[in-house]
Amino acid sequence: GENVEQHPSTLSVQEGDSAVIKCTYSDSASNYFPWYKQELGKRPQLIIDIRSNVGEKKDQRIAVTLNKTAKHFSLHITETQPEDSAVYFCAASETSGTYKYIFGTGTRLKVLA
Amino acid sequence: ETGVTQSPTHLIKTRGQQVTLRCSSQSGHNTVSWYQQALGQGPQFIFQYYREEENGRGNFPPRFSGLQFPNYSSELNVNALELDDSALYLCASGVDTQYFGPGTRLTVL
Repeated sequence: GENVEQHPSTLSVQEGDSAVIKCTYSDSASNYFPWYKQELGKRPQLIIDIRSNVGEKKDQRIAVTLNKTAKHFSLHITETQPEDSAVYFCAASETSGTYKYIFGTGTRLKVLA
Repeated sequence: ETGVTQSPTHLIKTRGQQVTLRCSSQSGHNTVSWYQQALGQGPQFIFQYYREEENGRGNFPPRFSGLQFPNYSSELNVNALELDDSALYLCASGVDTQYFGPGTRLTVL
């Protein structure tokens, strides 16, 4: 069935370093890939997304890359700050019919001051 | 913050009971999706409503049912509650880009 694998499950970095989170999806029909940040006890918040017709997208310190052939996409956070500490989820969706998200299992990012 | 709201915030029920959770979608969004998020896991798709009709369902039993109203608000109903139903229930409005509500934390004892 449809599946999204996400690695690593936990990630600790020093403040100012970069963090990379990787996801692999199984459904070749997936064409939309959002990333969400979820702080403890709060709602998932969209931080960046990418569509399958684009290989890379950047928004200030956050970037996402997509390799459709390998069915991989990654989140890159540069110059990490303590407020970046949260759980990050990737998701894959097919933008036709049912727009359901298949989520990864999450990455707990800790930025150490 | 998004315009998606959910009620109640927290709920405690006992096994076998029934529960109704509510979601008010962001203005202008006619599509609402419901997700179940167990502790430490990613959200799992339950179902989606588009203009008051179910538009897809995940791998959840029929005791999970829903409704969408003409104002695009939505309800999630769960019958015959089981202990494993304890989770955070999230609704999201929007189509390809979905905006999540704050969730309802359901505890089944």
